Amino acid sequence: DTAVSQTPKYLVTQMGNDKSIKCEQNLGHDTMYWYKQDSKKFLKIMFSYNNKELIINETVPNRFSPKSPDKAHLNLHINSLELGDSAVYFCASSQNWDEQYFGPGTRLTVT
Amino acid sequence: GEDVEQSLFLSVREGDSSVINCTYTDSSSTYLYWYKQEPGAGLQLLTYIFSNMDMKQDQRLTVLLNKKDKHLSLRIADTQTGDSAIYFCAESPGGYNKLIFGAGTRLAVHP
Repeated sequence: DTAVSQTPKYLVTQMGNDKSIKCEQNLGHDTMYWYKQDSKKFLKIMFSYNNKELIINETVPNRFSPKSPDKAHLNLHINSLELGDSAVYFCASSQNWDEQYFGPGTRLTVT
Repeated sequence: GEDVEQSLFLSVREGDSSVINCTYTDSSSTYLYWYKQEPGAGLQLLTYIFSNMDMKQDQRLTVLLNKKDKHLSLRIADTQTGDSAIYFCAESPGGYNKLIFGAGTRLAVHP
């Protein structure tokens, strides 16, 4: 049973397109996150949702819009993709302030 | 401020101990974490330490925390080739449900 899953695993798309990445957790956690890992492996938080409410919104371009339809899902929609958006995007979940569990990542390549 | 620093590379011989060091800046961090990332994979939580502890041992892993110097280390005893990966140190600044990651230490284990 996968605890935190993401789809798709790989996403290749052209500049200017709009795409979505989905995340689901079956751990019963109430907090979910999106992180971005760039080509140098730097990991940085983008968003955090607690009980479907946006808690953390780091300085991310407004082309990125997270959506949490319920506690178990947190999707990331990206408009007008740019070359610099190429990265691995990780979803994570936790129960309140406890340790975070990460998904396998989605490798986004913008050409 | 929020900043986590790690050395980028460590090379050890199989069977030796590995020590990965990390410094952090936010003294309000309640927990400090070590994550492992194998090539092409997501992040796996290895261990964590509560800020009022100075040591935690978990099988081959020993975490030492010097809160005064804001220094965290991870010792892996009897390092194996399967331990080759990138190890990320992370802090969780007090009051914020997010992780601030270091740049990761790439551990290479050779025979």
